[in-house]
Amino acid sequence: KQEVTQIPAALSVPEGENLVLNCSFTDSAIYNLQWFRQDPGKGLTSLLLIQSSQREQTSGRLNASLDKSSGRSTLYIAASQPGDSATYLCVLSGSARQLTFGSGTQLTVLP
Amino acid sequence: SAVISQKPSRDICQRGTSLTIQCQVDSQVTMMFWYRQQPGQSLTLIATANQGSEATYESGFVIDKFPISRPNLTFSTLTVSNMSPEDSSIYLCSVLLAGQGPYEQYFGPGTRLTVT
Repeated sequence: KQEVTQIPAALSVPEGENLVLNCSFTDSAIYNLQWFRQDPGKGLTSLLLIQSSQREQTSGRLNASLDKSSGRSTLYIAASQPGDSATYLCVLSGSARQLTFGSGTQLTVLP
Repeated sequence: SAVISQKPSRDICQRGTSLTIQCQVDSQVTMMFWYRQQPGQSLTLIATANQGSEATYESGFVIDKFPISRPNLTFSTLTVSNMSPEDSSIYLCSVLLAGQGPYEQYFGPGTRLTVT
């Protein structure tokens, strides 16, 4: 059974700082990995999707990496802004398209 | 990509009543799902909404409590029946979409339900 762990559970940084969110998983037989952000009381917004065969994806100030051999993914946020404050979820899709959700990292960017 | 809308966005309901949540997608999708997110928790899959047939429920969820309809490839409803305070959660509709690239999961904005 796939297990997904996100560290840290919460993070507070000053505006402008670069930061890394971590995601680890136990089963490397994944179809893809997605990073989502969730604002309080809202749904999930997809940020980046990394296919099983890929090692990283970039979108604007965001860069996500995937290392299946070590069971790790990271989400790098450059030049953080207060608008980046949200909970970030790492979500793995298995071969049967079943999803396993991480517990999330709650990010606060202080102005 | 897919744009998903849900109605209502939030509601406060009395215990013992039922609420039907609607999910509308802007394109035809084969796979549509309903999730629940209890306060402070991650998402839990309730069921897969199957077009033209009964939904497939995950362990711990039953049709009598969470009846689901899927009349076509762009629309689904989830009813939360005989509600209790423990049903207070965010309910999210989700679709699995295959475009030119890999399958990608999209989520609706959620329905925030509070049961008093």
